[in-house]
Amino acid sequence: NAGVTQTPKFQVLKTGQSMTLQCAQDMNHNSMYWYRQDPGMGLRLIYYSASEGTTDKGEVPNGYNVSRLNKREFSLRLESAAPSQTSVYFCASRGRWNTEAFFGQGTRLTVV
Amino acid sequence: QQQVKQSPQSLIVQKGGISIINCAYENTAFDYFPWYQQFPGKGPALLIAIRPDVSEKKEGRFTISFNKSAKQFSLHIMDSQPGDSATYFCAASSGGGADGLTFGKGTHLIIQP
Repeated sequence: NAGVTQTPKFQVLKTGQSMTLQCAQDMNHNSMYWYRQDPGMGLRLIYYSASEGTTDKGEVPNGYNVSRLNKREFSLRLESAAPSQTSVYFCASRGRWNTEAFFGQGTRLTVV
Repeated sequence: QQQVKQSPQSLIVQKGGISIINCAYENTAFDYFPWYQQFPGKGPALLIAIRPDVSEKKEGRFTISFNKSAKQFSLHIMDSQPGDSATYFCAASSGGGADGLTFGKGTHLIIQP
């Protein structure tokens, strides 16, 4: 049972380049999330998807877009990367009720 | 607006001692309060969680104390071990939780041998 799988694990982008971070979960969870983690800032919610077919903005959505491709997959896209988007990105999923969130291993993104 | 405030930012405890990390929240709609543990290079993993209908929950060496009237909750690690050295995050969510967890900024805990 893999849980939450993120790809890639590491990425270096030049300013202005675009990329998509992939996330898949195999726990049949309805809700999926993208967080970013910066030193001293904790984890901040970028976007979330409460169920297949829906997406909503979180605390820090500017510069990002998301797609809930199906129940398993939730991708995060950076259309024009900026140095301020250098961060570690975590995908998470959660069952229907107010319970444990499971996190992926993270994607370490550097924008130069 | 920071809805979950965590302290201290960093903590050094001797092996065998008690580690205490505190969190305070503002949103009275929060009804689920987990603590996550994160090791370097890994994603956060659930350590222990509590709901506001109880004042304390214990799992092994880890205890959450919850004070609803003060809107505060804390993590106590008894008999702290070097393997407990990690970053700890408190968090909170409300309702069905579909809109995600709100996290504190984290505490970097070091247990000295």
